[in-house]
Amino acid sequence: DTEVTQTPKHLVMGMTNKKSLKCEQHMGHRAMYWYKQKAKKPPELMFVYSYEKLSINESVPSRFSPECPNSSLLNLHLHALQPEDSALYLCASSRLDGGLGNTIYFGEGSWLTVV
Amino acid sequence: DQQVKQNSPSLSVQEGRISILNCDYTNSMFDYFLWYKKYPAEGPTFLISISSIKDKNEDGRFTVFLNKSAKHLSLHIVPSQPGDSAVYFCAATFRGAQKLVFGQGTRLTINP
Repeated sequence: DTEVTQTPKHLVMGMTNKKSLKCEQHMGHRAMYWYKQKAKKPPELMFVYSYEKLSINESVPSRFSPECPNSSLLNLHLHALQPEDSALYLCASSRLDGGLGNTIYFGEGSWLTVV
Repeated sequence: DQQVKQNSPSLSVQEGRISILNCDYTNSMFDYFLWYKKYPAEGPTFLISISSIKDKNEDGRFTVFLNKSAKHLSLHIVPSQPGDSAVYFCAATFRGAQKLVFGQGTRLTINP
């Protein structure tokens, strides 16, 4: 079972709007991630949560605000975005058992268009 | 500095033949390598991985080979099927890291 579910699948928002992307996993993973992917590029890491605490912020602008309400849920709050923020936003999760190699599993993504 | 490189942006293979996708890395700290497959408008799907203590890992039609001395890995798909047409990303990480370093991807097209 490698299911990471993301909602909504598609989102169109204006530059003054506030919206949120949601992610849920039921694999018991204790690390959750937000990635951003533009066309023809690899995924780009934004944030990592480990045991519900923010452990990595890749210098992401403050108009993106992550939240991890519990070990299964991850949100990305969006406010005052720019058209260049339009992209596929990917949630992912992985184990955190310190072993050699923890595979990161991705959700299907949320397509965001900023107009 | 691109630590993981996929030098072929695209590859075209006939159905039924072997597809070989290549990946090179520069950071000798990497000890876990993964391949992901991505269809348009979907998230990457995990395919297969290999740790640095092995030189080969097989899963059905997919085999990954790791040559640590050359810092090179390859993904073999045999036989190739039309549904294998997608972009393939190689990724690398190391113990304790929570970041995957991705290559730029190779677009594989399987021709009937």
